[in-house]
Amino acid sequence: GAGVSQSPSNKVTEKGKDVELRCDPISGHTALYWYRQSLGQGLEFLIYFQGNSAPDKSGLPSDRFSAERTGGSVSTLTIQRTQQEDSAVYLCASSLSRVEPLHFGNGTRLTVT
Amino acid sequence: GEDVEQSLFLSVREGDSSVINCTYTDSSSTYLYWYKQEPGAGLQLLTYIFSNMDMKQDQRLTVLLNKKDKHLSLRIADTQTGDSAIYFCAALSGGYQKVTFGIGTKLQVIP
Repeated sequence: GAGVSQSPSNKVTEKGKDVELRCDPISGHTALYWYRQSLGQGLEFLIYFQGNSAPDKSGLPSDRFSAERTGGSVSTLTIQRTQQEDSAVYLCASSLSRVEPLHFGNGTRLTVT
Repeated sequence: GEDVEQSLFLSVREGDSSVINCTYTDSSSTYLYWYKQEPGAGLQLLTYIFSNMDMKQDQRLTVLLNKKDKHLSLRIADTQTGDSAIYFCAALSGGYQKVTFGIGTKLQVIP
């Protein structure tokens, strides 16, 4: 079946612009995570959605970052007024429930020039 | 919160066994995972172990869990060049119900 799909796969933007990154989780998966992977760094947790519960936003690095998940399915991560330090690979993952393993998309590589 | 640590780099010869180690801090962690990341790709789940288990074997992969020391290891038998990748250890913390990843161990397999 289809895995986690992320778009775009690559995004180059100018400093100060806003960007939107999209994640289509596996159908039926109630949990959805966003992580950021910077060069030479591990995976930095950003935000977690579980069903209809309020999202865990504790990993968002600043108020320029926000995410939503519509209808319990597709999620969009928005970065406003992008900065060069936002350049990274943004990974989305979904799972059947909070105790099931995560399934990752291939990520969106964001480059801020 | 949970902290997961692992070494950055491991180099082995083709055919040898590889052992990648990981430590975590939250003793209430329920599930522990190993993921593999190849260049330009997302993370692929390799295997996982529940905290009430000591060992899990899956073909060439063996996971050992020492819950007392909060130490997890992944052994790859007969390592092949196709095993070259970054391996991430991750823990689902019991308290926060959030998956925390280590920094990843880059495995280099020398032909």
